[in-house]
Amino acid sequence: DAKTTQPPSMDCAEGRAANLPCNHSTISGNEYVYWYRQIHSQGPQYIIHGLKNNETNEMASLIITEDRKSSTLILPHATLRDTAVYYCIVRRETSGSRLTFGEGTQLTVNP
Amino acid sequence: ETGVTQTPRHLVMGMTNKKSLKCEQHLGHNAMYWYKQSAKKPLELMFVYSLEERVENNSVPSRFSPECPNSSHLFLHLHTLQPEDSALYLCASSQDLGRQGSLRGYTFGSGTRLTVV
Repeated sequence: DAKTTQPPSMDCAEGRAANLPCNHSTISGNEYVYWYRQIHSQGPQYIIHGLKNNETNEMASLIITEDRKSSTLILPHATLRDTAVYYCIVRRETSGSRLTFGEGTQLTVNP
Repeated sequence: ETGVTQTPRHLVMGMTNKKSLKCEQHLGHNAMYWYKQSAKKPLELMFVYSLEERVENNSVPSRFSPECPNSSHLFLHLHTLQPEDSALYLCASSQDLGRQGSLRGYTFGSGTRLTVV
């Protein structure tokens, strides 16, 4: 599975949009981009995933560049409860592919 | 509540004790996983089970012994642990081992915070 690069930390004001970047320049055609988050001392939580097209659900939006080498997770109106470590993971949807976590981005939402 | 339940939430044990961590899921998933998360480190995959068969053991010391009696339950038996084994132990499940149908990925429990003294 392709490696990802994320900034170690970001800050965001409450009520503003949080835009979390992820680089995955070695992504291949059959690899999906997944985002999870982990609130302190809890298990990771699935947020969203995508292959080529932009995706939106009740939690967030995922914007994937046309060349698929980077993506951005957007939390449109960040709240204090969105403070967490956000993980960008690239993964093939084939048998035997594991979910492997990197360092992630610590997002702190400030009042 | 995510659908994956881990007990206990917190555990303190001595280095000579034997204890077990329990994970239970009622999501109909066929694959279950143990992860370890030490302070300030990424999650590390320890064991993978598919349809109650262990399919992966990522060089985990033998003092950690997993057991999967059925597709809904997963245990991690602990004995003669070291203080450096203190960590958050997370259980996860997925529909299967990554084939189509698991596009939403894994569902994690809240973890067991283990302290070895």
